[in-house]
Amino acid sequence: AQTVTQSQPEMSVQEAETVTLSCTYDTSESDYYLFWYKQPPSRQMILVIRQEAYKQQNATENRFSVNFQKAAKSFSLKISDSQLGDAAMYFCAYPNSGGSNYKLTFGKGTLLTVNP
Amino acid sequence: GAVVSQHPSWVICKSGTSVKIECRSLDFQATTMFWYRQFPKQSLMLMATSNEGSKATYEQGVEKDKFLINHASLTLSTLTVTSAHPEDSSFYICSASVAGYEQFFGPGTRLTVL
Repeated sequence: AQTVTQSQPEMSVQEAETVTLSCTYDTSESDYYLFWYKQPPSRQMILVIRQEAYKQQNATENRFSVNFQKAAKSFSLKISDSQLGDAAMYFCAYPNSGGSNYKLTFGKGTLLTVNP
Repeated sequence: GAVVSQHPSWVICKSGTSVKIECRSLDFQATTMFWYRQFPKQSLMLMATSNEGSKATYEQGVEKDKFLINHASLTLSTLTVTSAHPEDSSFYICSASVAGYEQFFGPGTRLTVL
């Protein structure tokens, strides 16, 4: 069974600084996707970034980028120039293919605090 | 695009009553909808997966008679919590997908059972 592990329950960063959130996963698949979701205090789940495993290039979305290490099964999220609005719970997620449905397996989450 | 709504956003009910939560995909047709439960400061726990016109598939440990799911159309799925009790109080989130890996999430519904 696929598992997703986020080893940092909480992290904090100073405004304008850079922070990296860790995620490791376990799968026997060779082609798959990985996601980072943000859940702010409103509790709306927001897709931050996605990575396709067959792409060697790390995904980037503005201030958000990933360090995808396929062999190590590691998928960390780097937030540059942190802003107060980045404060949220961050979840790493892996979509398990089960027929035509892709169920998401989430990590336990990392609560990010941004200090002014 | 890809907007999912939930109604109500917050509901308070008395113990023993039933509560229905609606999940709608507003600008796309969703082949699959998912229902999650989330406790404070915890991750999302998948409760069930539903496809339009089919019976929902429940995750292990989820009581299908307590959490009734109806996926009547490609844009609407409902979750009914029957005979609700205080331990059913939680945050319920739905998501929708279009035959693919990506899910689009609703804003969630906070259920409080007194």
